[in-house]
Amino acid sequence: QQQVKQSPQSLIVQKGGISIINCAYENTAFDYFPWYQQFPGKGPALLIAIRPDVSEKKEGRFTISFNKSAKQFSLHIMDSQPGDSATYFCAASNTGNQFYFGTGTSLTVIP
Amino acid sequence: ETGVTQSPTHLIKTRGQQVTLRCSSQSGHNTVSWYQQALGQGPQFIFQYYREEENGRGNFPPRFSGLQFPNYSSELNVNALELDDSALYLCASRRGPMNTGELFFGEGSRLTVL
Repeated sequence: QQQVKQSPQSLIVQKGGISIINCAYENTAFDYFPWYQQFPGKGPALLIAIRPDVSEKKEGRFTISFNKSAKQFSLHIMDSQPGDSATYFCAASNTGNQFYFGTGTSLTVIP
Repeated sequence: ETGVTQSPTHLIKTRGQQVTLRCSSQSGHNTVSWYQQALGQGPQFIFQYYREEENGRGNFPPRFSGLQFPNYSSELNVNALELDDSALYLCASRRGPMNTGELFFGEGSRLTVL
């Protein structure tokens, strides 16, 4: 059973546009929700993370929106750039336990 | 600050063989976890080691085993390799098992089983 469901599988956005990736979870014990960015041939790297006590977190062009009641969270990339082209994974964890990753979204930003 | 390093980067094995993958954790990190990432999928948790003891395991059979050494480096061993074991194996470290902060990943070991 997939603990974290991610959509879309792939996304193509024009340079300067907004990229939106969505995730949903079931386990209400999760208390940490990170987004990871992965380039080909590299390991995932933390992009931004949120805890369920806030509804939004912004770092530069990257924003996480978190809806606790709907058990959903999303990543918004503003002013998307070709350098943002990568695979993005959402994840969820509860204290001391494993991280559950989504299936990934391949983002392509067209110049 | 030295990041997470893994070796080897690529290897090819045949079905039934055994493989050992190695990981050096980031400086100051005493907790290491291993993930399997199949092509086009997200990482799947294999197990976690803290103070040389396994303290969490995902849904993987016993032929997946590991070790952590006093310097916090770690090994992943897979016996009786199957074709489906072909994947990128990622090692990740963090400061403590109860710390839900950032996981730092290595670049992975790409295993191909023929």
